[in-house]
Amino acid sequence: QSALTQPPSASGSPGQSVTISCTGTSSDVGGDNYVSWYQQHPGKAPKLIIYDVNKRPSGVPDRFSGSKSGNTASLTVSGLQAEDEADYHCCSYAGSTNLVFGGGTKVTVL
Amino acid sequence: EVQLVQSGAEVKKPGESLKISCKGSGYSFTTYWIGWVRQMPGKGLEWMGIIYIGDSETRYSPSFQGQVTISADKSISTAYLQWSSLKASDTAMYYCARGSPMYWYNYMDVWGKGTTVTVSS
Repeated sequence: QSALTQPPSASGSPGQSVTISCTGTSSDVGGDNYVSWYQQHPGKAPKLIIYDVNKRPSGVPDRFSGSKSGNTASLTVSGLQAEDEADYHCCSYAGSTNLVFGGGTKVTVL
Repeated sequence: EVQLVQSGAEVKKPGESLKISCKGSGYSFTTYWIGWVRQMPGKGLEWMGIIYIGDSETRYSPSFQGQVTISADKSISTAYLQWSSLKASDTAMYYCARGSPMYWYNYMDVWGKGTTVTVSS
């Protein structure tokens, strides 16, 4: 199973919005609504920020939102803040006995 | 506090065996899944597999099937990831993470801090 496709980098100024795409196939992203997103700061463990395409766990700011269209899921970070600078990884159920991650996107706050 | 505590860093030689651990606390360990995720240096996350602690039902990624073994000892709230013969390409950070109580593929909401495994001759 190939990894999901994410852009390697994205950037925005404080207060702006940045959207990260995560492209898969009808066998993973497009097949069900089990897409999740994880934020990872350097040297730290990943943190769940979005699950089931667009649901936020308790404690995650509503600046983070998720969506999906066809085989592509997206994460939008609105009102960028310095602490949002991190790597973001998408993940999708890929059927049978598999979960698949994207390659990760490094978000830089300019 | 809900947490997963992983065992310490390991340095091994090619061909050696290894078992790393992940101990849960602060929640009902036996009613959740525990997954393992690999992150090679400078790379993205890779899902390896997952185990339901209650009955040890296990699922493996096709990429890792036969390469590693995932197990658990519910009496001590601990999950394990083991190798019988390490390779240099197993050098990576390994995270354990708690899966959703409903479906193993929903999400992973609590993560350990990771165990660094270095394999070098």
